[in-house]
Amino acid sequence: DAGITQSPRHKVTETGTPVTLRCHQTENHRYMYWYRQDPGHGLRLIHYSYGVKDTDKGEVSDGYSVSRSKTEDFLLTLESATSSQTSVYFCAISERTGAGSEAFFGQGTRLTVV
Amino acid sequence: TQLLEQSPQFLSIQEGENLTVYCNSSSVFSSLQWYRQEPGEGPVLLVTVVTGGEVKKLKRLTFQFGDARKDSSLHITAAQPGDTGLYLCAVVMEYGNKLVFGAGTILRVKS
Repeated sequence: DAGITQSPRHKVTETGTPVTLRCHQTENHRYMYWYRQDPGHGLRLIHYSYGVKDTDKGEVSDGYSVSRSKTEDFLLTLESATSSQTSVYFCAISERTGAGSEAFFGQGTRLTVV
Repeated sequence: TQLLEQSPQFLSIQEGENLTVYCNSSSVFSSLQWYRQEPGEGPVLLVTVVTGGEVKKLKRLTFQFGDARKDSSLHITAAQPGDTGLYLCAVVMEYGNKLVFGAGTILRVKS
């Protein structure tokens, strides 16, 4: 199994509080992604990174920010959590993109905003 | 409008039946991937198709990439309860290297 760890695995937080989710990899892969998964929507890309300090927005980036100061860590921050951000969050890593790539996923973080 | 449209959204069948799920788009892709996700787990890559018209087989699963590289299908022969899960198609966007998924097909195989 690819070495990818998400923390925490579960979190309940109150509306308006900041929340940071962590993704840690031991594979030295260049690309890292954050997705949210909601019923009927599959995996929607929030933000992704193509190198240290190199990040870009995905399709549902509003209300989220990311940072990647080291190859192995990719942090997702909800600046002020809202109930609409209740979801399961997945981190993924990939060594390359294109036909030869394979994305490896973490176990997910279940976030509940009350 | 999603980049990748998957159908059906949900499929419930009996063990031993055959089924096909689809992934369609109006865009052309250099490659397309299929993942399977089991409850409580992250998705796992099943296959990558690259060439228009390409057919790949993985035991009872047959994957096909459309001739125009805009769509793909996954056919399962003699489905088993262990095939139960969420099937997702995905592509890497040429611009920006984003990995984008469809909404998925939930498959339930009853014994």
